[in-house]
Amino acid sequence: DTEVTQTPKHLVMGMTNKKSLKCEQHMGHRAMYWYKQKAKKPPELMFVYSYEKLSINESVPSRFSPECPNSSLLNLHLHALQPEDSALYLCASSQGRLLAGIHETQYFGPGTRLLVL
Amino acid sequence: GQNIDQPTEMTATEGAIVQINCTYQTSGFNGLFWYQQHAGEAPTFLSYNVLDGLEEKGRFSSFLSRSKGYSYLLLKELQMKDSASYLCAVRALTWGKLQFGAGTQVVVTP
Repeated sequence: DTEVTQTPKHLVMGMTNKKSLKCEQHMGHRAMYWYKQKAKKPPELMFVYSYEKLSINESVPSRFSPECPNSSLLNLHLHALQPEDSALYLCASSQGRLLAGIHETQYFGPGTRLLVL
Repeated sequence: GQNIDQPTEMTATEGAIVQINCTYQTSGFNGLFWYQQHAGEAPTFLSYNVLDGLEEKGRFSSFLSRSKGYSYLLLKELQMKDSASYLCAVRALTWGKLQFGAGTQVVVTP
């Protein structure tokens, strides 16, 4: 089973709203990722969590706030977003082994399509 | 930094073979991945290369030459469902960082 689930599938929010994106995996993976993907562009890494601790923040604006409550869940809290933040937000997970190899393949969820008005 | 280049679009007919090239310039290298992404869906893992040579997986094969900073994905016996974007991604030495190319849109025609 290589399933990563994300909710909601679609989200429309105003610039003053607060919302959260959720991601879940039950593969026993200990690394989880948030990516942002604009139309016809590749995914761009935002955050990496390793063993529930934030290990990489790619200089993402503070209006995006990640949270990893446990090894299976990853949230992305959104506040005061801008229209240019509209994109597909992808969650991914991998085993989390330090000696990276094939086992460090990242498996992606279906994404949340976000529209900021 | 890293620079990953792949063609924007390729068109081929059903049953044919298509080769998608990817060149990369990176400050470190710890593996190259190919993903398939259908429109509006998540990327799905296709293949992984870390040593030079060819990896074959059914209709899909991937090749890597580290000295040339070059990889290709070969799709054989093309089917209509293979119409998708194919993403080349390089893993840097920094654990967890995967840098994606812009993707190659493959269009399979009847």
